[in-house]
Amino acid sequence: NAGVTQTPKFQVLKTGQSMTLQCAQDMNHNSMYWYRQDPGMGLRLIYYSASEGTTDKGEVPNGYNVSRLNKREFSLRLESAAPSQTSVYFCASSNRGLWNFGPGTRLTVT
Amino acid sequence: DAKTTQPTSMDCAEGRAANLPCNHSTISGNEYVYWYRQIHSQGPQYIIHGLKNNETNEMASLIITEDRKSSTLILPHATLRDTAVYYCIALYNFGNEKLTFGTGTRLTIIP
Repeated sequence: NAGVTQTPKFQVLKTGQSMTLQCAQDMNHNSMYWYRQDPGMGLRLIYYSASEGTTDKGEVPNGYNVSRLNKREFSLRLESAAPSQTSVYFCASSNRGLWNFGPGTRLTVT
Repeated sequence: DAKTTQPTSMDCAEGRAANLPCNHSTISGNEYVYWYRQIHSQGPQYIIHGLKNNETNEMASLIITEDRKSSTLILPHATLRDTAVYYCIALYNFGNEKLTFGTGTRLTIIP
């Protein structure tokens, strides 16, 4: 099992550009999550999806949209990137209290 | 989910046991205590969890006080690879919970 995979690993955007971060899991988990982690800070929840077809806002949803494409895939979209969105983005999936995290996407917005 | 309180940082000598405390005085009867860690730049990694009884696995031991208001994560023989931020989290595990992280304890293993 690959667990949770994320693409891309690194990305540099200019202010105003858009992009989609991809996440997939092969553990048949119902719940999936997107977190961001700023330098020296803890993880903050952006959006989560309790099951296929449902999504809900977390602590810091502004500037982001998500799509739960199917049970495996949960994407995060930045429509108009801003320097404040420079961060490391982690995707996770969970089943009954156990979370698996992806390796992260390091995004820089200039 | 109950709030947890952890020391900001700790040091431990390599080869010694690392004991990381966590206070969760408002924990409810159905909330579990979870421990995750984050090694630099990587995604958080599950370590162990428990409800009432002490738990042990290949990574660590979890000691929960009888009143469940605090717990201790024990890494029995710390190595340099155990240097990480350790998060103690209290939550229900019925499914679909949102895992939220505090600031954790930054554990540094000293050679």
